[in-house]
Amino acid sequence: QSVLTQPPSVSAAPGQKVTISCSGGSSNIGNNLVSWYQHLPGTAPKLLIYDNNERPSGIPDRFSGSRSGTSATLGITGLQTGDEADYYCGTWDSSLSRVVFGGGTKLTVL
Amino acid sequence: EVQLVESGGGLAQPGGSQRLSCAASGFTFSNYAMGWVRQAPGKGLEWVSALSGSGSNTYYADSVKGRFSISSDNSKNTLYLQMNSLRGEDTAVYYCARAPAWHTHYFDYWGQGTLVTVSS
Repeated sequence: QSVLTQPPSVSAAPGQKVTISCSGGSSNIGNNLVSWYQHLPGTAPKLLIYDNNERPSGIPDRFSGSRSGTSATLGITGLQTGDEADYYCGTWDSSLSRVVFGGGTKLTVL
Repeated sequence: EVQLVESGGGLAQPGGSQRLSCAASGFTFSNYAMGWVRQAPGKGLEWVSALSGSGSNTYYADSVKGRFSISSDNSKNTLYLQMNSLRGEDTAVYYCARAPAWHTHYFDYWGQGTLVTVSS
């Protein structure tokens, strides 16, 4: 059971927008910065968002992040078939004193 | 270009040991914190361990504390994970990852992973 809760799967058509939620508590998302990762099986995970809403260089602005209270959201616009992957949120948990991740959300671009 | 290449995975016996290595290139290794994150078959990501950029501070998940040891050799730009007293639940792909600093708690570059299978 992951400390952070994500929906197991989401889907949308090419060109559409999708959001992926990440729910936690006051010891993690509520008081720490959130990051998001894209992972295609067999490859290296890629950082998409850090510090709640910052994009590393090279990440297109189709990807966005936000945080409100004890939840965070990853948004992806202009969906492409290449966006099909697993997406994970992550943050620090002050009570557990460790990095925690969500269980992952599989994105299908129909 | 930042590159992280893991090695050392394979089949290990329950109760046995395995040492993973992560060769880093494309950045000043000693300026960054480094960590290990694993993914068990069919499961999500689990943080395992981290090492501060200075190498003086180590951090472990409770699930591996006392069994795993993280270290680095700055002269070789290499991160290690010594895994002892291995259990079946340690079976996973192990990823090496770089963190801008440990207090940032996110990883900006990852390797492709090395599979460790613990089975008799």
